[in-house]
Amino acid sequence: EVQLVESGGGLVKPGGSLRLSCAASGFTFSNAWMSWVRQAPGKGLEWVARIKRRSDGGTTEHAAPVKGRFTISRDDSENTLYLHMNSLKTEDTAVYFCTTYLMVAGNFVGHDIWGHGTMVTVSS
Amino acid sequence: DIQMTQSPSSVSASVGDRVTITCRASQGIGARLAWYQQKPGKAPNLLIYTASTLQRGVPSRFSGGVSGTDFTLTISSLQPEDFATYYCQQTNTFPLSFGGGTEVEIK
Repeated sequence: EVQLVESGGGLVKPGGSLRLSCAASGFTFSNAWMSWVRQAPGKGLEWVARIKRRSDGGTTEHAAPVKGRFTISRDDSENTLYLHMNSLKTEDTAVYFCTTYLMVAGNFVGHDIWGHGTMVTVSS
Repeated sequence: DIQMTQSPSSVSASVGDRVTITCRASQGIGARLAWYQQKPGKAPNLLIYTASTLQRGVPSRFSGGVSGTDFTLTISSLQPEDFATYYCQQTNTFPLSFGGGTEVEIK
């Protein structure tokens, strides 16, 4: 069964750090481009970061609100995606989803596999 | 950055109704648009990509269209399981951006 399972969320104070993990199974993780998408309580979806597969350079992109504070990374030997979050702000409070990139003819066309999400609450 | 404007923000409809949701891009994105369905407490589910291609397993009552920078998601005959929130996403340019969502409610 194709599955993504996030973990590592919780309550953290402003300025604190957290590392989210996403364990992948049921597909060849090393071949997948991966992403984090978040959703603040009662709000819409916001793309956070993306990492290419190693054979495509393994390069990363981060959204402006998190650039310099968050870092996406991957460990293909462990089939795990990470999101390292530093200098957390109250506005980072959200459910964080791990998701795959569906690629068609070499182009990203949508996120086809999603985890259930992990909640991050930033509050004093 | 590309802004995606969805309308309406909510719509009340009955089972069997035809429902159309619109998403407008602030600049040209070709056909690089995806639609997602999200139910409360669940992750989004990809319905349509490249504006009109149905994802595997998605019922044929869902369809997508494009005219310039205006995109539509149509549900031809609303079913009870279709009551949810729908989001568009442009897949053309970083940063990838979503529309604000359209909640389809039971009338």
